Amino acid sequence: DTEVTQTPKHLVMGMTNKKSLKCEQHMGHRAMYWYKQKAKKPPELMFVYSYEKLSINESVPSRFSPECPNSSLLNLHLHALQPEDSALYLCASSQRRDSVFGDQETQYFGPGTRLLVL
Amino acid sequence: GQNIDQPTEMTATEGAIVQINCTYQTSGFNGLFWYQQHAGEAPTFLSYNVLDGLEEKGRFSSFLSRSKGYSYLLLKELQMKDSASYLCAVQDLGGATNKLIFGTGTLLAVQP
Repeated sequence: DTEVTQTPKHLVMGMTNKKSLKCEQHMGHRAMYWYKQKAKKPPELMFVYSYEKLSINESVPSRFSPECPNSSLLNLHLHALQPEDSALYLCASSQRRDSVFGDQETQYFGPGTRLLVL
Repeated sequence: GQNIDQPTEMTATEGAIVQINCTYQTSGFNGLFWYQQHAGEAPTFLSYNVLDGLEEKGRFSSFLSRSKGYSYLLLKELQMKDSASYLCAVQDLGGATNKLIFGTGTLLAVQP
């Protein structure tokens, strides 16, 4: 089972709204990620949590605030967003697997939340 | 710096074979992934290479040459459903946390 779930699937919000995106995985993965993806572009890494602690913040504006309540859940709190923040927001999770070939850590992505900021 | 190059678009015919190339120059390397992404959907994992050579998985194969900083994804017996974007990504193992560095993606159109 390599399922990562995300809610909601679609979200429309105004620039003064506060909303949250949710991500859940029950694979026991130790790392969880938030990505932003604009049309016809690759995913851009925003945040990485490792063992429920924030390990990477790719200089993301403070209007995006991540939270990891437990090892299965990852939230992204949104406040005072701009229209240019409209994008597909993807969550992913991974677990490092040691092998004779090295440390493979495949990231599995959720279906994403399509966000439109008006 | 980090640089991963792929062709922007490719077109192929149903039933044919297509090869999507990826070249990379990254500060760290701990394997290369290929993902498939249909329009409006999440990327799905296709393959992982960390040693030189060819990995075959059904209709899809992936090749890696670390000395040349080069990989390709080979799709055989193309089907219409293979029309998608194909993302090459290098895994940069940075201490406790891995990062995936994505190429810009190759949009493949399969025609009848």
